[in-house]
Amino acid sequence: DVKVTQSSRYLVKRTGEKVFLECVQDMDHENMFWYRQDPGLGLRLIYFSYDVKMKEKGDIPEGYSVSREKKERFSLILESASTNQTSMYLCASSSIWGAIRRRVESSYEQYFGPGTRLTVT
Amino acid sequence: QKEVEQDPGPLSVPEGAIVSLNCTYSNSAFQYFMWYRQYSRKGPELLMYTYSSGNKEDGRFTAQVDKSSKYISLFIRDSQPSDSATYLCAMLDNQGGKLIFGQGTELSVKP
Repeated sequence: DVKVTQSSRYLVKRTGEKVFLECVQDMDHENMFWYRQDPGLGLRLIYFSYDVKMKEKGDIPEGYSVSREKKERFSLILESASTNQTSMYLCASSSIWGAIRRRVESSYEQYFGPGTRLTVT
Repeated sequence: QKEVEQDPGPLSVPEGAIVSLNCTYSNSAFQYFMWYRQYSRKGPELLMYTYSSGNKEDGRFTAQVDKSSKYISLFIRDSQPSDSATYLCAMLDNQGGKLIFGQGTELSVKP
């Protein structure tokens, strides 16, 4: 049974703080993703990674960075948190074998963590 | 215009009702269509996956794709309170681009 865990369920930070969100998966998946989920906007891809130390920008990477030092762990970093980054952050992982035409971002079966609700005040 | 449109609801139905959830899309290149279910305080999980047009059935759930109308549906028969969740449609083009998610429809099934 795939398990994706996120370091915090709820987080409150002040404007300008550096914020780390951590995600760990236990299924030896190659691909990992960070999304944010906002009412009326659905899920939007921030960054994804297809291998250790590899990263690719998603649709809304501005204000974020990521780190993948180990295969099972993918961290999202908010360098200087702002109020417009208040959101639900979801991490996901997938196997390369679930990808359309072997493109990592097109893994149609992604396994999600429970999410971190971040509030920036 | 968003690539994928989904009515956010909320939708409230009595137990046993047939539920119809829908998405429309504008990109005719989409070929792969998914439905994810998200329970409260949980991440989404894949419910059903369909390629191109047609129907796919899994127990009480039926996914339907009408590419000529750019319209997809998820039907839930004999709905149960345990079906109460947010349902998100997601799509991919034939080149395997990024998953594009709808906004999600919040469904509540009342006992």
